[in-house]
Amino acid sequence: QQQVKQSPQSLIVQKGGISIINCAYENTAFDYFPWYQQFPGKGPALLIAIRPDVSEKKEGRFTISFNKSAKQFSLHIMDSQPGDSATYFCAARYTGTASKLTFGTGTRLQVTL
Amino acid sequence: DVKVTQSSRYLVKRTGEKVFLECVQDMDHENMFWYRQDPGLGLRLIYFSYDVKMKEKGDIPEGYSVSREKKERFSLILESASTNQTSMYLCASAAGGSYEQYFGPGTRLTVT
Repeated sequence: QQQVKQSPQSLIVQKGGISIINCAYENTAFDYFPWYQQFPGKGPALLIAIRPDVSEKKEGRFTISFNKSAKQFSLHIMDSQPGDSATYFCAARYTGTASKLTFGTGTRLQVTL
Repeated sequence: DVKVTQSSRYLVKRTGEKVFLECVQDMDHENMFWYRQDPGLGLRLIYFSYDVKMKEKGDIPEGYSVSREKKERFSLILESASTNQTSMYLCASAAGGSYEQYFGPGTRLTVT
């Protein structure tokens, strides 16, 4: 059973637009919510992460919005660029289990010129 | 610079063969993980290890086993490969307590 549900499966955005990827979780025993970015032929790499007691975290053009009561969080990519074209995974870390994560199913983002 | 290496980028095996996938990290991380990545299913955890000789099952351990004899090395074993194990296999490592996992480039395994 998928612990973290991610949508959409794919997304096409024009250059300069805003890309939005959504995730929802059910288990409350998570204590960190990271996002990973994966380029073709590479392994995923950490992009940005948020704790559940924070409603928003911004790093450059990337922002995570977190809604604890709704058990939802989302990644916003402002001023999307062709170089942002990649697959994005949301994830959640199980509390008290060291580094164990559960991942969403991924969103393939394509930014067009 | 952090590095996780996997023994092969591409591998083709026959049904019934025993397959070894090796992963080495150079960061002295306590935790290591094996995932498989399939389109539409994301990253699914097969096994992980939080110390030498220690292992725990992930979400899809059936048909797989692992070995961790040294801290830097974590091996995934397919005892008798089957066609439904054709997939991309990713290894990752992480420091104790960190949510940041460092991934290798992956091994694309095809079982015919």
